[in-house]
Amino acid sequence: QQQVKQSPQSLIVQKGGISIINCAYENTAFDYFPWYQQFPGKGPALLIAIRPDVSEKKEGRFTISFNKSAKQFSLHIMDSQPGDSATYFCAACGNAGNMLTFGGGTRLMVKP
Amino acid sequence: GAVVSQHPSWVICKSGTSVKIECRSLDFQATTMFWYRQFPKQSLMLMATSNEGSKATYEQGVEKDKFLINHASLTLSTLTVTSAHPEDSSFYICSATVPGQLGAFFGQGTRLTVV
Repeated sequence: QQQVKQSPQSLIVQKGGISIINCAYENTAFDYFPWYQQFPGKGPALLIAIRPDVSEKKEGRFTISFNKSAKQFSLHIMDSQPGDSATYFCAACGNAGNMLTFGGGTRLMVKP
Repeated sequence: GAVVSQHPSWVICKSGTSVKIECRSLDFQATTMFWYRQFPKQSLMLMATSNEGSKATYEQGVEKDKFLINHASLTLSTLTVTSAHPEDSSFYICSATVPGQLGAFFGQGTRLTVV
């Protein structure tokens, strides 16, 4: 089964710090890599996404770094805030029907 | 942006009854919708892919007679949990893809509790 491996499973960061979540994939057919943010009892919300033709994408405090040769990508949350406390999922998608393959999730807690 | 609405947000039902969950794309037509199940502190598990006007494609291990999926229009897909049992209690989430865009947008989820 296609897999996307995500680490760490949980992360505690102080307010103002940098949160870093990493993902690795195997299937080279994947060509779209979104990150989702999920609060308890809610559906996942698209946060930021990247295509393999760029190595980095930044939107506000959120940055995706992409290493195509290593088949790895990561999410960096700068100046982390308590409101960022949530579960974050990386995902990967290929051309076949937009079906997403999810990582296992990272529960982020930002301490005030 | 693309909005996917899921209803109800939560439902409690008696064991043996059936429950229908609706997933609507509000501002776009969704030819493909996906249904997921999520257990506490776990990732999303894809149950089935729903294509408008055709039968759903179920993932291995998902009982198609237990989880009936209907995608009768370009804006609505429904998941019916038939003869629900306590072990069916879970968080069910739908998503839809936007034509011309990669990835998917998710509904707010439905918390199902079977008592």
